[in-house]
Amino acid sequence: EPEVTQTPSHQVTQMGQEVILRCVPISNHLYFYWYRQILGQKVEFLVSFYNNEISEKSEIFDDQFSVERPDGSNFTLKIRSTKLEDSAMYFCASSETGTGNSPLHFGNGTRLTVT
Amino acid sequence: AQKITQTQPGMFVQEKEAVTLDCTYDTSDPSYGLFWYKQPSSGEMIFLIYQGSYDQQNATEGRYSLNFQKARKSANLVISASQLGDSAMYFCAMREAYNTDKLIFGTGTRLQVFP
Repeated sequence: EPEVTQTPSHQVTQMGQEVILRCVPISNHLYFYWYRQILGQKVEFLVSFYNNEISEKSEIFDDQFSVERPDGSNFTLKIRSTKLEDSAMYFCASSETGTGNSPLHFGNGTRLTVT
Repeated sequence: AQKITQTQPGMFVQEKEAVTLDCTYDTSDPSYGLFWYKQPSSGEMIFLIYQGSYDQQNATEGRYSLNFQKARKSANLVISASQLGDSAMYFCAMREAYNTDKLIFGTGTRLQVFP
């Protein structure tokens, strides 16, 4: 069964450094998402991406965040200057359509630790 | 605005028994989808079951069923014949058809199955 793959599974970085989290969505999916989950807390929406542009973003997704689909398969989340509070699990997800009946399929996540 | 509420932070169930995890929601969109995800201790998000707002019958997937009561705006997950491997965090989520394409999550319920 096709799946969303994320790399790396764990990333440790120093405060102020840039990180890029990578994702390969399911190949026939058109909608892409990033979510984050701070340890023990709820899953928070960051950004949705369709047709090579951001379709929606949350208040969390400020100027230090950016997303890109550099080629036909990868979808990346860049955090320009990491802060301690960016430490979280970051999930990439994709769905076939943008309608209410289409589930999001999630990758296994990247655990980001900012020291 | 869309909202998902899970009022049970934790639930216990004995192996082979059934358990119901509660979820209520709020939306102004007449068309929406309701989803349940399982998050084991390893961290991945696993899609379990989907219920559409116009579906006449409650969704079922193996041992999972969804008790959908539209007038009460509730979408409870029922797990029958619980197994030790069902111990995990369970998230209820909703996706609207028109207002937005993002999926929003409740705060989750931690289920522990004991022998």
